[in-house]
Amino acid sequence: EPEVTQTPSHQVTQMGQEVILRCVPISNHLYFYWYRQILGQKVEFLVSFYNNEISEKSEIFDDQFSVERPDGSNFTLKIRSTKLEDSAMYFCASRDPPDSFQYFGAGTRLSVL
Amino acid sequence: KNQVEQSPQSLIILEGKNCTLQCNYTVSPFSNLRWYKQDTGRGPVSLTIMTFSENTKSNGRYTATLDADTKQSSLHITASQLSDSASYICVVNTGGFKTIFGAGTRLFVKA
Repeated sequence: EPEVTQTPSHQVTQMGQEVILRCVPISNHLYFYWYRQILGQKVEFLVSFYNNEISEKSEIFDDQFSVERPDGSNFTLKIRSTKLEDSAMYFCASRDPPDSFQYFGAGTRLSVL
Repeated sequence: KNQVEQSPQSLIILEGKNCTLQCNYTVSPFSNLRWYKQDTGRGPVSLTIMTFSENTKSNGRYTATLDADTKQSSLHITASQLSDSASYICVVNTGGFKTIFGAGTRLFVKA
């Protein structure tokens, strides 16, 4: 069964450093998403991406965040200068209409020290 | 404000018993409602998806209901198993690209 894959599974970084979280969506999917889940809290929407541009973003997704689909298969989330409060699980998801299920990756745990 | 509220926050049941989880939402516009199962430290996995016109949807031992008039949904789990222990998350899609997640119900199934 096709799946969304995310790397790395765990990323440890120093505050102020840049991190790039990587995702390989399911190959025929056209809609891509990033979510985050702070430990013990609900999943929060960050951004959606379609047709090589951001289609919607939340208030969490400020200028420190950016997304890119550099090569037609990978979908990345970059945090330019990490803060302690960026520590969370980051989930990538993809979907293909008309099936509106979003398929989630296993997540990347980001720890900012 | 778009919100998805779930109850109870947590639930403990014995293996083999049934349970029902609740979801109330105030989301507009409404496109569809999904239930996900999330094991600790893993990504959510889709269980059911329902649009405005659907009242019930089953997936094995999971049955979801939707009342679009009262903006309520429920997830019924039949004959629970130990592997059902997880968080169950209600998610509402607004019809755009944004999804609103509930905080989840943490289900513990005991032997």
